[in-house]
Amino acid sequence: AQTVTQSQPEMSVQEAETVTLSCTYDTSENNYYLFWYKQPPSRQMILVIRQEAYKQQNATENRFSVNFQKAAKSFSLKISDSQLGDTAMYFCAFLPRNQFYFGTGTSLTVIP
Amino acid sequence: DAGVTQSPTHLIKTRGQQVTLRCSPISGHKSVSWYQQVLGQGPQFIFQYYEKEERGRGNFPDRFSARQFPNYSSELNVNALLLGDSALYLCASSRAPDSNQPQHFGDGTRLSIL
Repeated sequence: AQTVTQSQPEMSVQEAETVTLSCTYDTSENNYYLFWYKQPPSRQMILVIRQEAYKQQNATENRFSVNFQKAAKSFSLKISDSQLGDTAMYFCAFLPRNQFYFGTGTSLTVIP
Repeated sequence: DAGVTQSPTHLIKTRGQQVTLRCSPISGHKSVSWYQQVLGQGPQFIFQYYEKEERGRGNFPDRFSARQFPNYSSELNVNALLLGDSALYLCASSRAPDSNQPQHFGDGTRLSIL
């Protein structure tokens, strides 16, 4: 069975500080993709960052970076220089073929 | 270019009724997927369509059905509505169903069952 676990239901961070959101997954697949999506109160899911499992190098997108540990099936998201606009629900998602599996989400609040 | 558009944005129904939700993908996108997001949970996969054919189905009862039209837009139908069907229904489109194609999500339809 494919599962995605986000063990931090809520987190907060001071503006300009760094925060890390954790995600683990379980699969027997060898080739897959991992994603972090952001869902603000406006509810549209916005892609933050993507990682291909066959790539050892961790993906980075401006202030967002991941720590991908394939053997440990771990995929954490680091947000640097947190901004008020980063306040949202963050979902980790796993894509082994053409079906997404999402975690339950982490609600991140950036405090001014 | 317009993003993924879904209609209606909100809908209220009663138990036992039927509902149809609509999704228009981004221009050039031929794959459409549907997800159900219950309050406080992550989205759950319902269906994926590509070139009008069903390519994948999640663990949902037969009350849920969908189809894709020649212009690649899609409809999700739910019959005999239950209180538990109350959720945000998200549509996502991509150029193809391949894993390396990013999916773009719409704003969703909020369905409330009374």
